[in-house]
Amino acid sequence: DAKTTQPNSMESNEEEPVHLPCNHSTISGTDYIHWYRQLPSQGPEYVIHGLTSNVNNRMASLAIAEDRKSSTLILHRATLRDAAVYYCILRDVFQAGTALIFGKGTTLSVSS
Amino acid sequence: GAVVSQHPSWVICKSGTSVKIECRSLDFQATTMFWYRQFPKQSLMLMATSNEGSKATYEQGVEKDKFLINHASLTLSTLTVTSAHPEDSSFYICSARNRDLNQPQHFGDGTRLSIL
Repeated sequence: DAKTTQPNSMESNEEEPVHLPCNHSTISGTDYIHWYRQLPSQGPEYVIHGLTSNVNNRMASLAIAEDRKSSTLILHRATLRDAAVYYCILRDVFQAGTALIFGKGTTLSVSS
Repeated sequence: GAVVSQHPSWVICKSGTSVKIECRSLDFQATTMFWYRQFPKQSLMLMATSNEGSKATYEQGVEKDKFLINHASLTLSTLTVTSAHPEDSSFYICSARNRDLNQPQHFGDGTRLSIL
């Protein structure tokens, strides 16, 4: 799977939007962009995924650059419960049955 | 949504003891299960992949005789840490998926293993 680059940490205030960036300059045409998050002392939790178009769900939005070399996970209104490590992972559609491989992710802190 | 249940959530035992961790998919058939290990302040490291009814495939550097994985049914996989030592203390996380590759990979809440 192609590599992603994320900032080590970010800070946010409660009730404000958060934009978590991910760079993936070597992405291939068949790589899906997946986002998972891991709350303290828990297993990872699926957030969202997409291929080319922007995606929205009840948890977040995923904005994908036109050249697909970067993407941004958007939390529209951060809450204290959103404090977690966020992982941006690429996975080839033809490797969809294989395990997700996690990088270091971005540690998001949310202040009240 | 799909739920993966992992048990126990926390275990402390003496060095030399064998410890079994269970991972169950509660509302879907887990054709493939994965086991990860996570040390403090580090990311998840994949240990092995198991398909129901088949032997597990271990990642490089993971001792298959020490970390025994059984995936005998579509809803249950177990990881047994044999003759555990303090260096095996870690956070172990299981994950599961079904045949629908459009569905996300689901994770258990992890087992914190402490070997004294």
